[in-house]
Amino acid sequence: QVQLQESGPGLVKPSETLSLTCTVSGGSISTYYWSWIRQPPGKGLEWIGYIYYSGTTNYNPSLKSRVTMSVDTSKNQFSLNLSSVTAADTAVYFCARVTPMVTFNLDYWGQGTLVTVSS
Amino acid sequence: DIQMTQSPSSLSASVGDRVTITCRASQSITSYLNWYQQKPGKAPKLLIYAASRLESGVPSRFSGSGSGTDLTLTISSLQPEDFATYYCQQSYSTPWTFGQGTKVEIK
Repeated sequence: QVQLQESGPGLVKPSETLSLTCTVSGGSISTYYWSWIRQPPGKGLEWIGYIYYSGTTNYNPSLKSRVTMSVDTSKNQFSLNLSSVTAADTAVYFCARVTPMVTFNLDYWGQGTLVTVSS
Repeated sequence: DIQMTQSPSSLSASVGDRVTITCRASQSITSYLNWYQQKPGKAPKLLIYAASRLESGVPSRFSGSGSGTDLTLTISSLQPEDFATYYCQQSYSTPWTFGQGTKVEIK
């Protein structure tokens, strides 16, 4: 059973960089796409982007100038960096596996981690 | 970006009711539509992919239909564990976008 677990600071100061890592267990990170999604408290879901195990990325244009994703196949991990954060970036951040089954879908998710942007 | 609009935004229903949630896309997404269920404090769970294909392990009372711009999720007989928020998501083109959610509450 594939499992994903987000890790990283729960509090980030404004203008700094939010950094999260997702560790994949129960399966290999290779041959799949991996995604980040966020959800501000009490609001809906926003797709941040995805990264292929080879390192190819696709980011949401609304965040593209501030987002960097990377993958470490030796550790079965992928990461998210979001720079110049503001209070609007406060959200629960989820990592998820992308399966290209007929269409692309998000079939395994981490439990999510709340990141608060505040001084 | 493709805008996804769900209706209704919320509904009240009783156990055993048939529930239908609609997702309308701002342009055709053919069948590139997924449905998720989210309970409070939990991650979303994939229910339906490719508009009508049931994810493994999901009860058969959930079904999806439609293509193009108007797609639906139906719960044939609502169960207590189905009270949650449901999201549609298009993967026709990036950026992938979600509907705003439909909260299903107990009547």
